[in-house]
Amino acid sequence: DAGVTQTPRHEVAEKGQTIILKCEPVSGHNDLFWYRQTKIQGLELLSYFRSKSLMEDGGAFKDRFKAEMLNSSFSTLKIQPTEPKDSAVYLCASRDSAETLYFGSGTRLTVL
Amino acid sequence: GDSVTQTEGPVTVSESESLIINCTYSATSIAYPNLFWYVRYPGEGLQLLLKVITAGQKGSSRGFEATYNKETTSFHLQKASVQESDSAVYYCALVSDTNAYKVIFGKGTHLHVLP
Repeated sequence: DAGVTQTPRHEVAEKGQTIILKCEPVSGHNDLFWYRQTKIQGLELLSYFRSKSLMEDGGAFKDRFKAEMLNSSFSTLKIQPTEPKDSAVYLCASRDSAETLYFGSGTRLTVL
Repeated sequence: GDSVTQTEGPVTVSESESLIINCTYSATSIAYPNLFWYVRYPGEGLQLLLKVITAGQKGSSRGFEATYNKETTSFHLQKASVQESDSAVYYCALVSDTNAYKVIFGKGTHLHVLP
């Protein structure tokens, strides 16, 4: 079975650019999460979809971060405009019916 | 809102020593929460280590154990004798029905096991 696929693995952006991160969840999983991972803050929830419905839009992140789930097998996270403080690893995860999360390998974003 | 607090790292222990990583939670649900430990080994993605969905029960995996204690709102991770290969980052997490079943993580504990 294919796991969660995230692309690209690495992204370098200039301050002010728009970037789009992509995620393909495990087939058959109904829930999808986007997290930002940093050493200081740990895992911060950015967005959460339940059966393609947006349940959490990230609170403090909502002004520049927008996640979409175009269909059950594809999601994007747009950051617009990027700022240097956005440099982090962005993780996508899908969840099975037993509530276990399956994570992708992540996208490492560097904003210059 | 619901929250998870765990031991701040890094934690350094020697091989064959015992380990405990503390995790306490705050949740408003009566029927929930469900509790999890996730782990990220070097060079690998984050993955489930163990989970417990019933208060009073114990979960175990790879020699690690954690007991869901609703009285003390704790879910500490323990291992009697660690190995160098246990070096990783460990995250405690909860899921609750009172916050739309989203997954709340602690900040993670970086464990270094010395040979």
